[in-house]
Amino acid sequence: QKEVEQNSGPLSVPEGAIASLNCTYSDRGSQSFFWYRQYSGKSPELIMSIYSNGDKEDGRFTAQLNKASQYVSLLIRDSQPSDSATYLCAVILSGAGSYQLTFGKGTKLSVIP
Amino acid sequence: GAGVSQSPSNKVTEKGKDVELRCDPISGHTALYWYRQSLGQGLEFLIYFQGNSAPDKSGLPSDRFSAERTGGSVSTLTIQRTQQEDSAVYLCASSLLNRGNSPLHFGNGTRLTVT
Repeated sequence: QKEVEQNSGPLSVPEGAIASLNCTYSDRGSQSFFWYRQYSGKSPELIMSIYSNGDKEDGRFTAQLNKASQYVSLLIRDSQPSDSATYLCAVILSGAGSYQLTFGKGTKLSVIP
Repeated sequence: GAGVSQSPSNKVTEKGKDVELRCDPISGHTALYWYRQSLGQGLEFLIYFQGNSAPDKSGLPSDRFSAERTGGSVSTLTIQRTQQEDSAVYLCASSLLNRGNSPLHFGNGTRLTVT
């Protein structure tokens, strides 16, 4: 079964520190990867997408992709209490034809003031 | 509209009753997805529409679940003879194109409680 795995956490970091969130996926043919943020009781919102090996930076967020290791990560620099949320890794699996996103169960991040 | 709209926001129903959940996607978005999220769990894919057709229904958990989309816009997810395990938040998302690099925009969801 094709899966997306995340550590459920909670991951606690002090304000101003770097938060590192990790995700592994089982489908070697996957090409598109996304990070969504979900605040408690709210719907997911897209924060980053990445398609090529390497790093992609957007403000305080950096997504890292290593297709050979089937690993994608999200770094949050200068973490703020407002970053406290559940972060969902999502992958478009190969061969499905419908471009459905398969989500991990999410990592809960808590930024301590 | 400005975003994906779902209704109702909350629905409480008795076991065995049928329910209909509605999704109004962002105008012009051709792809529409239904997911469900149980308490403390990740998002579970249910069904995907491209226009009015549903090329991928693989996530529907049983034949009690069905969905349709009309006019390439509004979609309805119907659950017949609801069971307690159907209790979850049902999320609808739309995207501009059916492409791997077209992000999904989610609605606020319908919280379904089956008593």
